[in-house]
Amino acid sequence: EIVLTQSPGTLSLSPGERATLSCRASQSVGSRHLAWYQQKPGQAPRLLIYRASNRATGVPDRFSGSGSGTDFTLSIRRLEPEDFAVYSCQQYGGSPPYTFGQGTKLEIK
Amino acid sequence: EVQLVESGGGLVQPGRSLRLSCAISGFTFDDYAMHWVRQAPGKGLEWVSGISWNGGTIHYADSVKGRFTISRDNAKNSLYLQMNSLRPEDTALYHCARGFESHFDYWGQGTLVTVSS
Repeated sequence: EIVLTQSPGTLSLSPGERATLSCRASQSVGSRHLAWYQQKPGQAPRLLIYRASNRATGVPDRFSGSGSGTDFTLSIRRLEPEDFAVYSCQQYGGSPPYTFGQGTKLEIK
Repeated sequence: EVQLVESGGGLVQPGRSLRLSCAISGFTFDDYAMHWVRQAPGKGLEWVSGISWNGGTIHYADSVKGRFTISRDNAKNSLYLQMNSLRPEDTALYHCARGFESHFDYWGQGTLVTVSS
């Protein structure tokens, strides 16, 4: 089973700043199989990025994903107040299980 | 508008059973695989089970294999999760989610399952 480790656990930034979130896999993950989600309290998780770098429908272009192999990054340029949430990465290695990282909480500084 | 609405959660004693349902609308249900993903209090997301569009392929996480059964009724646009022999560690918010390539593109808000005596 591929384990995903996200860092940092909590990231404190101010609106307008840039956020960089990391997701590291215990073994190589195909780029087609890495996604990022946003979660806000009381809301359903929202798919942000799929295939490591493709924005899902309706996702603002200030969100971008990059990476390959074992190291992936979610970047958010010019943070908006609504961006403060928990972000999780997820992979699928071709056969179950699907696995998630433990999440990074992006909080207002 | 795509909607996934879970129901059936509640407080249940260890060893007992519970059946979750997920009502789908806004898309052609039998075009998609469907999944259950849970989140224990203060923990990350955990994939539980997935089922192909026609129910022909089913997978489970090791943590629930032999205890949980996923099923779907395409005529009723509904997804189900039968949970038997429940344990305290099954306490979580259970989401249904639509499969999209290797990911989950639409999610419900979840139904809370609490396993406690």
